[in-house]
Amino acid sequence: ILNVEQSPQSLHVQEGDSTNFTCSFPSSNFYALHWYRWETAKSPEALFVMTLNGDEKKKGRISATLNTKEGYSYLYIKGSQPEDSATYLCAFAIYNQGGKLIFGQGTELSVKP
Amino acid sequence: GAGVSQSPSNKVTEKGKDVELRCDPISGHTALYWYRQSLGQGLEFLIYFQGNSAPDKSGLPSDRFSAERTGGSVSTLTIQRTQQEDSAVYLCASSSLGGTLAPLNIQYFGAGTRLSVL
Repeated sequence: ILNVEQSPQSLHVQEGDSTNFTCSFPSSNFYALHWYRWETAKSPEALFVMTLNGDEKKKGRISATLNTKEGYSYLYIKGSQPEDSATYLCAFAIYNQGGKLIFGQGTELSVKP
Repeated sequence: GAGVSQSPSNKVTEKGKDVELRCDPISGHTALYWYRQSLGQGLEFLIYFQGNSAPDKSGLPSDRFSAERTGGSVSTLTIQRTQQEDSAVYLCASSSLGGTLAPLNIQYFGAGTRLSVL
């Protein structure tokens, strides 16, 4: 059974704090790692798709790194804002299985003003 | 609109009834996926369509679940003889490329159908 683990499960921070989450995935048969952000009552929204070991991606105050050899990815948020409050999901894609994604349970972030 | 559209947004049904959930993907998107999130669980893959065919149905929980896609566009997920454990949010997603490049593509999600089986 392929498992994607995310930690922490939930996180409460103050506005302006920087924070990071971890996604662990199987390193064998790796093809791609996706990060999505899911705000309450909205659709999950893609942040990054990463494929290469050592990949680093950045979108505004959010960035992510990828280590495919040891099977982990970090998501960083610099200077958290209340609008960053959401559940952050990572998902693992295996080679030759279409676009089937195996999701972790997510990290729920709450940013207090 | 330009996004993935799902209907209904909420569905309450009685145990034993059949339900149909609909997904309108982004126009021109080859690949279409169904996922569900049960209470306290992560998003769980159900089925993947490449055009109108479903090369991967491995996530469908039982033979009460079926899905089809017509015209390379709209998809319907049907649950027969619903059970309480079918209660979940059902999400549809589409992406522009399928096949071996599919995992490299962003998936665009709909807002989901919240199914409650009483």
